[in-house]
Amino acid sequence: ETGVTQSPTHLIKTRGQQVTLRCSSQSGHNTVSWYQQALGQGPQFIFQYYREEENGRGNFPPRFSGLQFPNYSSELNVNALELDDSALYLCASSYWGADTQYFGPGTRLTVL
Amino acid sequence: AQSVTQLGSHVSVSEGALVLLRCNYSSSVPPYLFWYVQYPNQGLQLLLKYTSAATLVKGINGFEAEFKKSETSFHLTKPSAHMSDAAEYFCAVSESQGGSEKLVFGKGTKLTVNP
Repeated sequence: ETGVTQSPTHLIKTRGQQVTLRCSSQSGHNTVSWYQQALGQGPQFIFQYYREEENGRGNFPPRFSGLQFPNYSSELNVNALELDDSALYLCASSYWGADTQYFGPGTRLTVL
Repeated sequence: AQSVTQLGSHVSVSEGALVLLRCNYSSSVPPYLFWYVQYPNQGLQLLLKYTSAATLVKGINGFEAEFKKSETSFHLTKPSAHMSDAAEYFCAVSESQGGSEKLVFGKGTKLTVNP
């Protein structure tokens, strides 16, 4: 059974650019959640995807968007990058309605 | 909305000493509570969870936590610290939002273990 994987590991972008982060869920899991972890902070919920639709969103602007594919993998897209978007982005997978989420290793995004 | 407060952003213990990491939550309904551990430059690993069964929950690596409703607490303990326990620990509560379950995290406690 493979765990949650994310790519890339690290990424450096400049302000105003766009970025796409990818996540493959743990085998059999049909729900993917994305979190942003700023330096020295706990993770903050961005949104969750189930059946290829967004299902629940945190306090993040519309320039944060996502996709889920039929194989349950997911993408997080961020447009018009700002310096404050620099963070570790964590993907978590689970079964729909389950109480436990399993996290990937994260993608470290640096915006210059 | 649910919230989690972790008292002490940094905790330092000696190897072999008791580890106590504090977590208090606010929730209007019986919560699901979690402790996750994060090693440097890594993602989050589930240590243990409380889901309305036994109030004393045992997790991996010798950690355990006790759910105390009267104190709205879910403190994490380990009788004897090991050097490998040095990491950041996050307490989280599960919150339902439109059918989805999201996790609300505390700000974390960084545990240092001294030889």
